Amino acid sequence: EVQLVESGGGLIQPGGSLRLSCVASGFIVSDNYMTWVRQAPGKGLECVSIIHSGGSTYYADSVKGRFSISRDYSKNTLYLQMNSLRAEDTAVYFCARENWFPTDYSGMDVWGQGTTVTVSS
Amino acid sequence: EVVLTQSPATLSLSPGERATLSCRASQSISGSLVWYQQKPGQAPRLLIYNTSNRATGIPARFSGSGSGTDFTLTISSLEPEDFAVYYCQQRKNWPPGLTFGGGTKVEIK
Repeated sequence: EVQLVESGGGLIQPGGSLRLSCVASGFIVSDNYMTWVRQAPGKGLECVSIIHSGGSTYYADSVKGRFSISRDYSKNTLYLQMNSLRAEDTAVYFCARENWFPTDYSGMDVWGQGTTVTVSS
Repeated sequence: EVVLTQSPATLSLSPGERATLSCRASQSISGSLVWYQQKPGQAPRLLIYNTSNRATGIPARFSGSGSGTDFTLTISSLEPEDFAVYYCQQRKNWPPGLTFGGGTKVEIK
């Protein structure tokens, strides 16, 4: 079964760090474009970061310089290292797989269940 | 950066009625317009990709159309399970970018 399972969220003080993990099954993370999307309480969706299959990365301006996306081939896992956390980073964080055929974009077809990050003192 | 504006913010309809959701882009975009459905406490679910292609397992009552800057998601006859929030999304490969619209909530009237 193709699925993603996130973990690593929690309550953290402003200025702190967290690392989110997203374990994939049924497909290889490193062969795909993968994203982190967050959703603040009661708000819409925001793409935080993307990692291409070739390894290049993209960050939203709101997290650039503070967040880092990476992956581990041996563990088939996607990560999001979050440093210098702020109250406005409070959100549910989803990882998702992007589908490309091979150059036509076909959306994010596999999503994790989300992990909650709360930044508060 | 492309800004996507969805309207209306809320759509109040009864089961069996037709729903028409709009997504307008701040500049002309290619066919990489995608629609998702999200229910409370759940992850988004892919509905439509490349403007008009239904994702695997999506019922035929969902359809997408549009071009340039104006796109539409239509639900031909609302089922009880269709009451949810719908987001449009666009993707640029280079320079890389991925943006969502603000969402349209379809609620039971």
